[in-house]
Amino acid sequence: DAKTTQPTSMDCAEGRAANLPCNHSTISGNEYVYWYRQIHSQGPQYIIHGLKNNETNEMASLIITEDRKSSTLILPHATLRDTAVYYCIVTVGNQFYFGTGTSLTVIP
Amino acid sequence: GAVVSQHPSRVICKSGTSVKIECRSLDFQATTMFWYRQFPKQSLMLMATSNEGSKATYEQGVEKDKFLINHASLTLSTLTVTSAHPEDSSFYICSAEIPTGFRTDTQYFGPGTRLTVL
Repeated sequence: DAKTTQPTSMDCAEGRAANLPCNHSTISGNEYVYWYRQIHSQGPQYIIHGLKNNETNEMASLIITEDRKSSTLILPHATLRDTAVYYCIVTVGNQFYFGTGTSLTVIP
Repeated sequence: GAVVSQHPSRVICKSGTSVKIECRSLDFQATTMFWYRQFPKQSLMLMATSNEGSKATYEQGVEKDKFLINHASLTLSTLTVTSAHPEDSSFYICSAEIPTGFRTDTQYFGPGTRLTVL
């Protein structure tokens, strides 16, 4: 079963930062937090992952709280093409159990 | 990122027939691949873990005799839906795990296969 909870949906204005929260209060010490997104009728796309330090790549930033019980994915300048369902996943071994995700709509 | 392909992208078949879906890692070798199923407006559900050269590990509730998985090489895993019925109609997605040391130890997903059983 998924070990994460996320808001069902969010809106964000184009050009603004999109902040997507994820709660993973039962995460264990060696489990990573992964973020993927899925655009309609496509396979999920890898965004970023982290263990306890904040991470940044060309797509996004991942902020993990010090107690690791929650994290936030930040898309710094959202575009219309960022409209998708965003999944936060806590790994159990190497198997991914997807939760319901957050449907992000970027509004012009 | 690493590229994973699936074939076919769409398939329509008659009830009672079998359908094979291929998953290939195009620019890396994948010891482990995964198969997921996604029904409309739902999340992905892990069906099985496919390990090269050994039997797949199925999630609870997934019938291993109905969903046959073969991972005969480091770049190819196949899922065969046997005696398909309309309730098997779904979006089937595979992923391949990047081995440690390539770039990052994570999964890359294929584009999915839309199966419709009439």
